[in-house]
Amino acid sequence: EPEVTQTPSHQVTQMGQEVILRCVPISNHLYFYWYRQILGQKVEFLVSFYNNEISEKSEIFDDQFSVERPDGSNFTLKIRSTKLEDSAMYFCASNSGSRVNEQFFGPGTRLTVL
Amino acid sequence: DAKTTQPNSMESNEEEPVHLPCNHSTISGTDYIHWYRQLPSQGPEYVIHGLTSNVNNRMASLAIAEDRKSSTLILHRATLRDAAVYYCILRVNYGGSQGNLIFGKGTKLSVKP
Repeated sequence: EPEVTQTPSHQVTQMGQEVILRCVPISNHLYFYWYRQILGQKVEFLVSFYNNEISEKSEIFDDQFSVERPDGSNFTLKIRSTKLEDSAMYFCASNSGSRVNEQFFGPGTRLTVL
Repeated sequence: DAKTTQPNSMESNEEEPVHLPCNHSTISGTDYIHWYRQLPSQGPEYVIHGLTSNVNNRMASLAIAEDRKSSTLILHRATLRDAAVYYCILRVNYGGSQGNLIFGKGTKLSVKP
């Protein structure tokens, strides 16, 4: 069964450093998303991406964040200058564009900012 | 998006049915009812969705009240692997719109052997 994959599974970084979280969505999917979940809290939407551009973003997704689909398979989330409060699980998801709107989530990347 | 209300936690015994309720009294006519679950240390996983009629799939059943102000996710025989946080989410589904999901706190289901 096709699945969304994410790398790395755990990323440790120093405050102020740039990080890039990588995702490989399911191959024929058209819509891509990033969510995050701070430990013990709700899953929060960050951004959605369709047709090579951002279609929606939340208040969390400020100028420190960017997304890119550099080739036909990868979807990346970049945080330019990490803060302590960026420590969280980051989930990538993808959607085929069918009427069901079923989103398939990856296993997540745990980001720890020291 | 319309708001949903779910109990914080529920317990079940293994092999028994589980009924997870969700109230959504402000649901609009175009809102679909989606259920996702999140197993420990994993990403959320789609379970089922419906609009007006009851729905069944291999994972669960969804019973929707006639006035659509509430719904119930039914796991027919709970297994230990069903222990997870279950989220009831309302989304508008229409052609070309595949927007984000708004997660609440969900219901944490514990399954006892």
